[in-house]
Amino acid sequence: GEDVEQSLFLSVREGDSSVINCTYTDSSSTYLYWYKQEPGAGLQLLTYIFSNMDMKQDQRLTVLLNKKDKHLSLRIADTQTGDSAIYFCAGRGGGGADGLTFGKGTHLIIQP
Amino acid sequence: ETGVTQSPTHLIKTRGQQVTLRCSSQSGHNTVSWYQQALGQGPQFIFQYYREEENGRGNFPPRFSGLQFPNYSSELNVNALELDDSALYLCASSPGPIAGSYNEQFFGPGTRLTVL
Repeated sequence: GEDVEQSLFLSVREGDSSVINCTYTDSSSTYLYWYKQEPGAGLQLLTYIFSNMDMKQDQRLTVLLNKKDKHLSLRIADTQTGDSAIYFCAGRGGGGADGLTFGKGTHLIIQP
Repeated sequence: ETGVTQSPTHLIKTRGQQVTLRCSSQSGHNTVSWYQQALGQGPQFIFQYYREEENGRGNFPPRFSGLQFPNYSSELNVNALELDDSALYLCASSPGPIAGSYNEQFFGPGTRLTVL
């Protein structure tokens, strides 16, 4: 099945760009997602990318997909204190069910 | 439009007991998925229900079971609780389960289960 790997922590200065990276194993993943989880809360979908795309931009968020290397990244421009959270990369394979496979999450820490 | 709701918010049980968690899907959504999120981990897919039938299952034993009702709300039942079942249980609803097409999953706030 799908396996998704992320680094556990990322620390950036307020106002800088944050780049969160993810690698996945299942090349049949049709959609790849980025979710945000704030303390004590559920998951909020930030953005997604279809597997036939290389890049998607949505306001401060840019997703890059390298299918050859099975590498996904999320760039957050002008990082703010409100961006402090855990960010999960997730994939959905081509199987029958819609179950997502999540990474362990990257804790984004914002320094003033 | 009401989002996904879950009850209870928190729950404490002892090993060997049984527990039922509840989820109300977002209006217009006919598919509910359940996930287990252990502390410090990403969510793991338990199973999905579509039109009252189980429509896919992750790597969880049969003591994890579920139901979906005609109004598309859902229950997750866990029998013979073990200490490792302590986790945040997340429910997500979506407009449909069609594999290969985009169906956003909207997550509820979760139920925090502690097994002592």
